[in-house]
Amino acid sequence: DTEVTQTPKHLVMGMTNKKSLKCEQHMGHRAMYWYKQKAKKPPELMFVYSYEKLSINESVPSRFSPECPNSSLLNLHLHALQPEDSALYLCASSQDNRTPYRPFFGPGTRLTVL
Amino acid sequence: AQKVTQAQTEISVVEKEDVTLDCVYETRDTTYYLFWYKQPPSGELVFLIRRNSFDEQNEISGRYSWNFQKSTSSFNFTITASQVVDSAVYFCALSVGETSGSRLTFGEGTQLTVNP
Repeated sequence: DTEVTQTPKHLVMGMTNKKSLKCEQHMGHRAMYWYKQKAKKPPELMFVYSYEKLSINESVPSRFSPECPNSSLLNLHLHALQPEDSALYLCASSQDNRTPYRPFFGPGTRLTVL
Repeated sequence: AQKVTQAQTEISVVEKEDVTLDCVYETRDTTYYLFWYKQPPSGELVFLIRRNSFDEQNEISGRYSWNFQKSTSSFNFTITASQVVDSAVYFCALSVGETSGSRLTFGEGTQLTVNP
């Protein structure tokens, strides 16, 4: 199984809503990543988890809250988002975070904030 | 700091033409990794290749080929005999150092349109 899955595929939420994005992999990877991709722009790194611990936070606003409950699962909790947070959110995993192994990307969640 | 430049924002070709996508990178690290990804309209990033800084061999995979030149800090990608299915955004990306994991810095991307 060389797949990263993300749910939901699409999400529409209001600025007062609380929602969560889910990412899962069963490749035994110990590093997981969240990237944000605005329309017609490249992906930008948000968070890196290594062995279930947050190792990198790229100065992301606190309305985005990552969580890694176990080595296979990565969540991104969303609260009080702004319309400019509308984007494609991509999850990725790699063997570990010490060497640039090939990252495997999920299909992404398209988020629209109204 | 590292940087990836893809100067070609959009390229349009007719099917069966060859097309080269340019990628220029900047880094002070001697150990780094370069990647190419394809992103079709569905949004999923499709991995194409990873190359480390110590391996300057060019690579060919089917209709795809890559030319890595450290002297010019370039890692260009050529599609031979392009097909309509090659239409997508192509990203070049860089990861530096031996401990940065898969922390990628992407170029702005090149939108390739292959017309029938």
